[in-house]
Amino acid sequence: EVQMVESGGGLVQPGGSLRLSCAASGFTVSSNYMSWVRQAPGKGLEWVSVIYSGGSTYYADSVKGRFTISRDKSKNTLYLQMNSLRAEDTAVYYCTRVENNRHFDYWGQGTLVTVSS
Amino acid sequence: QSALTQPASVSGSPGQSITISCTGTSSDVGNYNLVSWYQQHPGKAPKLMIYEDNKRPSPSGISNRFSGSKSGNTASLTISGLQAEDEANYYCCSYAGSSTWVFGGGTKLTVL
Repeated sequence: EVQMVESGGGLVQPGGSLRLSCAASGFTVSSNYMSWVRQAPGKGLEWVSVIYSGGSTYYADSVKGRFTISRDKSKNTLYLQMNSLRAEDTAVYYCTRVENNRHFDYWGQGTLVTVSS
Repeated sequence: QSALTQPASVSGSPGQSITISCTGTSSDVGNYNLVSWYQQHPGKAPKLMIYEDNKRPSPSGISNRFSGSKSGNTASLTISGLQAEDEANYYCCSYAGSSTWVFGGGTKLTVL
């Protein structure tokens, strides 16, 4: 059974950093495209970043230069390193698997990141 | 990376059919057969309902009451035989090229 469990969210001050983790089971993270999608409180979904099975990474303009997506093959875990955090980064962050390299078939339960002083 | 345009809300009575539209541009919706739709109940993670414009995931058990279509830069999700459990928020998403994706703003479906 495919399962993804995010962790690492919490309260952080503006300008601070946080690293989110997504532990996967039932499939191999490094053999799939994996993505992060976020949802601000009461708002819609926003694509954040993707890492391809080959290791290439891509980002939404809103986070480019501040966020870094990565993975650990030995732990079958996806990460999102978030630096220079802003209030507008406050959201629930979901990790997702990208099926057929183009749509999000499995989602974690999400982890809440709150950026506030 | 402008969001796709969806109506903020739609409603229908049990047993009726409703359609949710999703309008993008020739750079995203109109350029790829890669529109997907997600259902999200309050406090829950999104769930894939339709992918590649009109395909239902299997064997996830998505009801054939859910169908997708597309014409030009506008995609649509139709739910027939509305049921109370269909009440949720629905989001469209399109691959937008250059390894990026764009979501719609979401539509709240109310079953009257």
